[in-house]
Amino acid sequence: ETGVTQTPRHLVMGMTNKKSLKCEQHLGHNAMYWYKQSAKKPLELMFVYNFKEQTENNSVPSRFSPECPNSSHLFLHLHTLQPEDSALYLCASSQDPTENYGYTFGSGTRLTVV
Amino acid sequence: AQSVTQPDIHITVSEGASLELRCNYSYGATPYLFWYVQSPGQGLQLLLKYFSGDTLVQGIKGFEAEFKRSQSSFNLRKPSVHWSDAAEYFCAVGVMDSNYQLIWGAGTKLIIKP
Repeated sequence: ETGVTQTPRHLVMGMTNKKSLKCEQHLGHNAMYWYKQSAKKPLELMFVYNFKEQTENNSVPSRFSPECPNSSHLFLHLHTLQPEDSALYLCASSQDPTENYGYTFGSGTRLTVV
Repeated sequence: AQSVTQPDIHITVSEGASLELRCNYSYGATPYLFWYVQSPGQGLQLLLKYFSGDTLVQGIKGFEAEFKRSQSSFNLRKPSVHWSDAAEYFCAVGVMDSNYQLIWGAGTKLIIKP
């Protein structure tokens, strides 16, 4: 257990479904991140939240919608996904996105879109 | 543009043998450098990091890495690998743009032969 918890661990959804991924950290970190990890590709940063405010959106399609209600919780709402969105979605947190302390990652949600 | 290259997609090493995983980066300023490890079905765990000072950095699980500015490299080493080291290893560079962010390599999968 790393201190960052992601649920569910696995998710299979149809292209017309709506689902949400959840991430929770109780490390006292102020920044939280969503990453997409696809096979044979570098990690892709999707969203950054700093003190609950979104500070980065790396041209992510609108079918991915993040929500950060407080510094400890981060959600990724999914709707009308495409098969190419199948990947491992990783949540991470850090003390402060302007500092270089490294990130703590969750174990990820393996998403399959059918 | 900033980038991280891990030239080896796969490396196979016999148990007990030494290991070196290569990482080269492109970044104009002094980089912050990281190595992460990802075991199957898990998130990423920080192995070690370099910010400044001694260019030989010790990490967890017996790993070390050496920063060589002249070669823009940050290679990961371990004198004797164990079967439990089989995993995927990611090199990352911390850069400051509008926000601090990590630039990731595509990873190297380490396979251990008995």
